[in-house]
Amino acid sequence: QQQVKQSPQSLIVQKGGISIINCAYENTAFDYFPWYQQFPGKGPALLIAIRPDVSEKKEGRFTISFNKSAKQFSLHIMDSQPGDSATYFCAASGGTPLVFGKGTRLSVIA
Amino acid sequence: DAGITQSPRYKITETGRQVTLMCHQTWSHSYMFWYRQDLGHGLRLIYYSAAADITDKGEVPDGYVVSRSKTENFPLTLESATRSQTSVYFCASSESGRKGEQYFGPGTRLTVT
Repeated sequence: QQQVKQSPQSLIVQKGGISIINCAYENTAFDYFPWYQQFPGKGPALLIAIRPDVSEKKEGRFTISFNKSAKQFSLHIMDSQPGDSATYFCAASGGTPLVFGKGTRLSVIA
Repeated sequence: DAGITQSPRYKITETGRQVTLMCHQTWSHSYMFWYRQDLGHGLRLIYYSAAADITDKGEVPDGYVVSRSKTENFPLTLESATRSQTSVYFCASSESGRKGEQYFGPGTRLTVT
């Protein structure tokens, strides 16, 4: 019930393409869904977050899509760039500290 | 410097030894967290603290001890290190325990031989 399942584990995308990372959860009490980005040798940093009262949130090239009925949310990176190469973590919380997915290692190749 | 710092950045220790990882934040955030990051497991919460003298267990607390006598410091102690505790440890802080942004430190890479 506390798990957040993230897929894929790794992703290779051509420069300019769309990167899509998916997450699913079971706990209906979750009401906050952030995505964190982590570069090698650094700590994770908040990228974008969404609450369940909206179905989509966009910040620049990054968009979260949220499907409450399916209990799924996803991160879309438009026009992916080599500088986007990093590990991405989805997370969720609801009355408890954040629960993180296992991460997706994204490589954007030129 | 303002922010969240961890020390040491790298540590090698032997099985059975006690080791303490330090975490310091300058924002006066109420909440502080300790995570470990392992390949294939993502970030797993070890302990967290809502305020000075208030701590609570996370997902993987066994073998770890924490204390928080001051708001800005949140040390993590491995009382008797084991090889399974070889990992990268991240400290984080937040204004809110649930919905606020967590600010992560740079991490401590711990190797237990």
